[in-house]
Amino acid sequence: GQNIDQPTEMTATEGAIVQINCTYQTSGFNGLFWYQQHAAEAPTFLSYNVLDGLEEKGRFSSFLSRSKGYSYLLLKELQMKDSASYLCAVRDPLGGNNRLAFGKGNQVVVIP
Amino acid sequence: EAGVAQSPRYKIIEKRQSVAFWCNPISGHATLYWYQQILGQGPKLLIQFQNNGVVDDSQLPKDRFSAERLKGVDSTLKIQPAKLEDSAVYLCASSFGRTTFTDTQYFGPGTRLTVL
Repeated sequence: GQNIDQPTEMTATEGAIVQINCTYQTSGFNGLFWYQQHAAEAPTFLSYNVLDGLEEKGRFSSFLSRSKGYSYLLLKELQMKDSASYLCAVRDPLGGNNRLAFGKGNQVVVIP
Repeated sequence: EAGVAQSPRYKIIEKRQSVAFWCNPISGHATLYWYQQILGQGPKLLIQFQNNGVVDDSQLPKDRFSAERLKGVDSTLKIQPAKLEDSAVYLCASSFGRTTFTDTQYFGPGTRLTVL
């Protein structure tokens, strides 16, 4: 089975740092993705982790611990345009098709 | 580079009617996915194509949903007949389909379906 768990909503101030957590329990693991989704828009790819550790990409960083089934997305220097839902997705290789299982998303609201 | 194209963007129908959605993936992407995203939820995979063959349709409600990708490029998803609980955004995504770790999926803008 697959279970991807994320907090539902958080509010943060412009210029601040916010950490979005994701815990997962899946039959197999072949990488974890973070997507950003603005209201009424398509998800857009942010980051990918397959090995333990931190991946940094500009204002966004993503961390993975496979032994703990845990990842987080770190957003630095928050901007108003970062208000969106952040989706965690785990690739499960069992079944041979590398299906992505998504969490419900964490809605981040940035306030001035 | 053009992204994933979908049409229509919005559709309102009454229950028991039929509806079809169209998707054109990114050029060169062999794998095409249809997802259903209900409000407040993450996307759920309905069907995955590799070229014109189905590789995963285990979560597709086959009594009412069907999909095809006849020439291995664009695809259509059909619902017949629609139920109230089918109200959702239907997202199409595509990827190169390589058996490497990354194989990032890129999403289209989606079709928002409302069933009355």
